[in-house]
Amino acid sequence: DSGVTQTPKHLITATGQRVTLRCSPRSGDLSVYWYQQSLDQGLQFLIQYYNGEERAKGNILERFSAQQFPDLHSELNLSSLELGDSALYFCASSAGLVYNEQFFGPGTRLTVL
Amino acid sequence: GENVEQHPSTLSVQEGDSAVIKCTYSDSASNYFPWYKQELGKRPQLIIDIRSNVGEKKDQRIAVTLNKTAKHFSLHITETQPEDSAVYFCAAKGAGGGADGLTFGKGTHLIIQP
Repeated sequence: DSGVTQTPKHLITATGQRVTLRCSPRSGDLSVYWYQQSLDQGLQFLIQYYNGEERAKGNILERFSAQQFPDLHSELNLSSLELGDSALYFCASSAGLVYNEQFFGPGTRLTVL
Repeated sequence: GENVEQHPSTLSVQEGDSAVIKCTYSDSASNYFPWYKQELGKRPQLIIDIRSNVGEKKDQRIAVTLNKTAKHFSLHITETQPEDSAVYFCAAKGAGGGADGLTFGKGTHLIIQP
């Protein structure tokens, strides 16, 4: 157990819908990262927040957005869902910004029908 | 942006033998290189990492080497055991002012034959 929690574990929805994925980082970690894992694209970095502020963006679609709240938990919002958005979404946390190890949560499996 | 290439995609070794997985990266400014192990349907687990100011790091049966000049790094697993079977990912972290996600390789499926 990494100490990072994610809910829900599974999510099944229809095209065009909107969903919210939730992540709670390890106690004391200020940085939260979101990753998408699919068979064709592999593990891809989406976005990073540090202490409530957005710090880096990766391959995140405009239909996706995220935020980190004062209690440091983070939410990833996916809207206008398409079949191709079906994937495992992982959240990871680290203590700081630079070299700190990233610890992954158990992931949310999103299925878009 | 950073690009990480990982080889081989599948590696089958006899139990007790050694396994080596190699990765190359493109951004010479990258300064942190972790390795993750992922079992089917589970989260990636950090197994070892190395920073750019170090050439080699070892933790029991696992070692990582880094060649900054050639921009490649490798994972070495000795005395392989059945529980080592998994997908292994290398990754590189850029030096984007300290704020940057990991760029992952495509993964190596390691199979330990009994």
